[in-house]
Amino acid sequence: EVQLVQSGAEVKKPGESLKISCEGSGYSFSDFWIGWVRQMPGKGLEWMGIIYPGDSNTRINPSFEGQVTMSVDASINTAYLRWSSLKASDTAIYYCARRLRHCGGDCYDPWGQGTLVTVSS
Amino acid sequence: AIQLTQSPSSLSASVGDRVTITCRASQGIYSALAWYQQKPGKSPKLLIFSASTLESGVPSRFRGSGSGTDFTLTITSLQPEDFGTYFCQQFSDYPITFGQGTRLEIK
Repeated sequence: EVQLVQSGAEVKKPGESLKISCEGSGYSFSDFWIGWVRQMPGKGLEWMGIIYPGDSNTRINPSFEGQVTMSVDASINTAYLRWSSLKASDTAIYYCARRLRHCGGDCYDPWGQGTLVTVSS
Repeated sequence: AIQLTQSPSSLSASVGDRVTITCRASQGIYSALAWYQQKPGKSPKLLIFSASTLESGVPSRFRGSGSGTDFTLTITSLQPEDFGTYFCQQFSDYPITFGQGTRLEIK
């Protein structure tokens, strides 16, 4: 079974750093792009960007440029999303998702279960 | 960025009803549109891609149509398990964007 398992919920203070993870299993991790999507409380979905585990090639949404860093360790089938200095407005659920090949573009399935990040003083 | 506008924002329907959700793009996106279902507290699930292609394992009562700027998701006979929020997503151009969502409640 193809699945993505994300790291657990985090509670952080403004200004702190954070790295969350997304581990893939059941498929060749290096061969499929991984996307990251933000969902702020009670809101819709925002595409943050994608990373290719095979060569760490990355495409970031300009709205998130400079705010987060995407990385991957293909040797352990894991993608990461990192913040160097969190803000209260980063409070959200963050999803990773596998980009499918057969849809001809960026459509995603499956999705991880989501990581809730709460930033509060 | 390409904007996607869904309507309605919410709706309530009965089991067996035919339900239609629309998604309008701010510019032409060919057929580069996907639909997702998200249930409360769960992650999104892909239903349809390329505007009208049903993802494997998705019930045939879900149908997608449209091209260019106007798209439709139809549930032909609503089932109790179809509650949740539905999002459209374009993949014609970066950045990828989503519609604001349509919340579907079962009466």
